[in-house]
Amino acid sequence: QQQVKQSPQSLIVQKGGIPIINCAYENTAFDYFPWYQQFPGKGPALLIAIRPDVSEKKEGRFTISFNKSAKQFSLHIMDSQPGDSATYFCAAGLNDYKLSFGAGTTVTVRA
Amino acid sequence: EAQVTQNPRYLITVTGKKLTVTCSQNMNHEYMSWYRQDPGLGLRQIYYSMNVEVTDKGDVPEGYKVSRKEKRNFPLILESPSPNQTSLYFCASSFGLWEGRNNEQFFGPGTRLTVL
Repeated sequence: QQQVKQSPQSLIVQKGGIPIINCAYENTAFDYFPWYQQFPGKGPALLIAIRPDVSEKKEGRFTISFNKSAKQFSLHIMDSQPGDSATYFCAAGLNDYKLSFGAGTTVTVRA
Repeated sequence: EAQVTQNPRYLITVTGKKLTVTCSQNMNHEYMSWYRQDPGLGLRQIYYSMNVEVTDKGDVPEGYKVSRKEKRNFPLILESPSPNQTSLYFCASSFGLWEGRNNEQFFGPGTRLTVL
């Protein structure tokens, strides 16, 4: 059973657009919410992460929004570029060691 | 170069033939973990290790074994592989999310396993 539900499965945007990926969880014990980016043939790489005591975090063109009461969090990619085309995974961490991932979203940014 | 290495990168085997996928990291990380990646399911944690001789089950441990005898190595063992273990496997390591530390997990390049 997927502990973190991620949507959409895929999305296509034009260069400069803002893809938004949403994730939801049920277990309120989760205390760490990272996003990973994966290019074809490579392992995932950490993009940005947030703790539940923060509602928003920005790193470059990537922003996490976190809604603790709704148990939802999302990733926004501002001014998206073709090089951002990849699969993105949200995840939720428990007790610093167990990490549950969403199913992934394939983002395509068209030039 | 700081990295996580996995071997082999590709493996085709038959049902029931024991195999080991090795994982090694050179970053002195305490924490290591194994994941499998399947289409539509994302990554699922198999086992993780907080330090030498300390391991615990993730979400999908059935059919797998691990050991952590040295800090840098964390092999994944399939005692009797079955076709439903055909998957892409990733090893990862990090310092762990203690106060002041970033729990960035560094992933290896992956091992694509096919069990016939």
